[in-house]
Amino acid sequence: EAGVTQFPSHSVIEKGQTVTLRCDPISGHDNLYWYRRVMGKEIKFLLHFVKESKQDESGMPNNRFLAERTGGTYSTLKVQPAELEDSGVYFCASSQVVSGSDNEQFFGPGTRLTVL
Amino acid sequence: LAKTTQPISMDSYEGQEVNITCSHNNIATNDYITWYQQFPSQGPRFIIQGYKTKVTNEVASLFIPADRKSSTLSLPRVSLSDTAVYYCLVGDSMDSNYQLIWGAGTKLIIKP
Repeated sequence: EAGVTQFPSHSVIEKGQTVTLRCDPISGHDNLYWYRRVMGKEIKFLLHFVKESKQDESGMPNNRFLAERTGGTYSTLKVQPAELEDSGVYFCASSQVVSGSDNEQFFGPGTRLTVL
Repeated sequence: LAKTTQPISMDSYEGQEVNITCSHNNIATNDYITWYQQFPSQGPRFIIQGYKTKVTNEVASLFIPADRKSSTLSLPRVSLSDTAVYYCLVGDSMDSNYQLIWGAGTKLIIKP
């Protein structure tokens, strides 16, 4: 079974440009999460989709970030316009809709974003 | 603000048992304790999860005392490939707004 995949693995853009990150979750996983780690800081939650709906987007830093998950499959995270402080690694994770203790999140390899 | 406290780093040697303790004094009744492992340039990987007492799988054991204010991840007979950052997280997986709140993790270095 394929794991969570992310594209691209690395993106280098200039300040003010737009970048779109893509995440393909594990097939059948309704839950999809975006996280990011800014250089030297801890991993931070950005948002959580359940199917195509945004369950929780409390971690989105500002309105330059737009996440979508049309059709409840893959998700995109667009940064427009990108700023220097957006540089970091963006992780996507997915999990099945299960209760109790079995809510393991499977992470993708991350996209390293560098804004110059 | 992370809900957990862990040592910043630890060293050990191949073949040894490694125990990493995590403090979570404000753990809530519905919170589960989850540990993730992360290698450089990779996403975190789930290791183990528990609520109380002891949980064991093919990779590790998790010991949780009765008050649940701490937990210990135990890695038996570590190898060089166990060098990674280990994160302890607590959260209520039944909460529809469940999200993982990450701390700095423990950087474990295994020496030959």
